[in-house]
Amino acid sequence: GAVVSQHPSWVICKSGTSVKIECRSLDFQATTMFWYRQFPKQSLMLMATSNEGSKATYEQGVEKDKFLINHASLTLSTLTVTSAHPEDSSFYICSASTSGGFPDTQYFGPGTRLTVL
Amino acid sequence: GQQVMQIPQYQHVQEGEDFTTYCNSSTTLSNIQWYKQRPGGHPVFLIQLVKSGEVKKQKRLTFQFGEAKKNSSLHITATQTTDVGTYFCALPGGGNKLTFGTGTQLKVEL
Repeated sequence: GAVVSQHPSWVICKSGTSVKIECRSLDFQATTMFWYRQFPKQSLMLMATSNEGSKATYEQGVEKDKFLINHASLTLSTLTVTSAHPEDSSFYICSASTSGGFPDTQYFGPGTRLTVL
Repeated sequence: GQQVMQIPQYQHVQEGEDFTTYCNSSTTLSNIQWYKQRPGGHPVFLIQLVKSGEVKKQKRLTFQFGEAKKNSSLHITATQTTDVGTYFCALPGGGNKLTFGTGTQLKVEL
């Protein structure tokens, strides 16, 4: 149980284009989904927190107009990197958590490797 | 954002040797989690520690939570090549957020 999928697993795009990444919880309802970014040989940095049906909460320094997050249902959140540039190339990972019980556990998706040319 | 230091940053061991990574926080923690990320993979949840002084074991892995709940360690006995990866501690934040430690990359040589 508690499987999270991401699509696509990798994407290469030209500078200036937009890329959408999907994160799905396959066998549970995720009240909260998180989006992380990981540069090579670095740790995961939280970008934003999204709750179903409400606006995402972005971490300091993350541009909300550049990284659009939509959490339309309890099983799907999307991250759109708008007008991507080479410096946006990174490993983007989502995670999902359920409410109930303390402390909650996050279940991570397999990640999406974005390369912007 | 908050940076959580882990030491060491890298560790190369011979297969069969032990390995330990330490995670330190400046504040008292309600709990701490540990994750493993294989090269090219995503973080996989290993364990969660909640109680002061708690020690939990998973086969060759031993996890410890400090008495003051400000630090934690992960110890691997007799490493194997399958242990290769980066080990992260993760600290809870508000709203179920996690702050990941800087990670310790483990390489195991035959």
